[in-house]
Amino acid sequence: EVQLLESGGGLVQPGGSLRLSCVASRFTFGNYPMSWVRQAPGKGLEWISVISAGGDSAYYADSVKGRFTISRDNSRNTLYLQMSSLRAADSAVYYCAKRMYCTKTSCYGFDYWGQGTLVTVSS
Amino acid sequence: DIVMTQTPLSLSVTPGQPASISCKSSQSLLHSDGKTYLYWYLQKPGQPPRLLIYEAFNRFSGVPNRFSGSGSGTDFTLKISRVEAEDGGVYYCMQNIQFPPITFGQGTRLEIK
Repeated sequence: EVQLLESGGGLVQPGGSLRLSCVASRFTFGNYPMSWVRQAPGKGLEWISVISAGGDSAYYADSVKGRFTISRDNSRNTLYLQMSSLRAADSAVYYCAKRMYCTKTSCYGFDYWGQGTLVTVSS
Repeated sequence: DIVMTQTPLSLSVTPGQPASISCKSSQSLLHSDGKTYLYWYLQKPGQPPRLLIYEAFNRFSGVPNRFSGSGSGTDFTLKISRVEAEDGGVYYCMQNIQFPPITFGQGTRLEIK
């Protein structure tokens, strides 16, 4: 079965930076767009970013636009999220998620999720 | 942004009884290709979300047939025909017809009595 393993979370001070990684296995990583979704403690799910299969296009939620950058290295089967100017409101478990399928015009759904990595922004 | 509203926010069900969760979207999720881009997920404590239903009514691989999705346009329902102890957790609906952003409902917590 598809495996996604996030890492890189931890405690960071407000205004600081952190880079998350998600290593994928058991599927052809370079064929699928990938996303990051986060969940603040005790809260619901918030989509934050998606990147195309080839890495040439990306979209962001307004809450992270200009501060977070999604990228991928298909040769390493790895998805990244570079986070900067971190705020307390960014504290959450960050999940990487695989897009389920694509049509000619767009891609849809998330069929597999990693276990998540916890980011805590606090002084 | 499309707003997804789930009701109820919590429910408590005895094993063997049915359960139903509603999800309403602020815009139609019916695409011009004829598909409806509404998804249902279950998140158990300490675990990531797990896909149950895609395109409003299709069960994902390995999902028991006691789970069913229905609805169209802006109104959708997830039904569990006979709740089992393992079905407890938080259920989320998600829309993907329009992005960014992809949006989720607030979640519905299902407690097994």
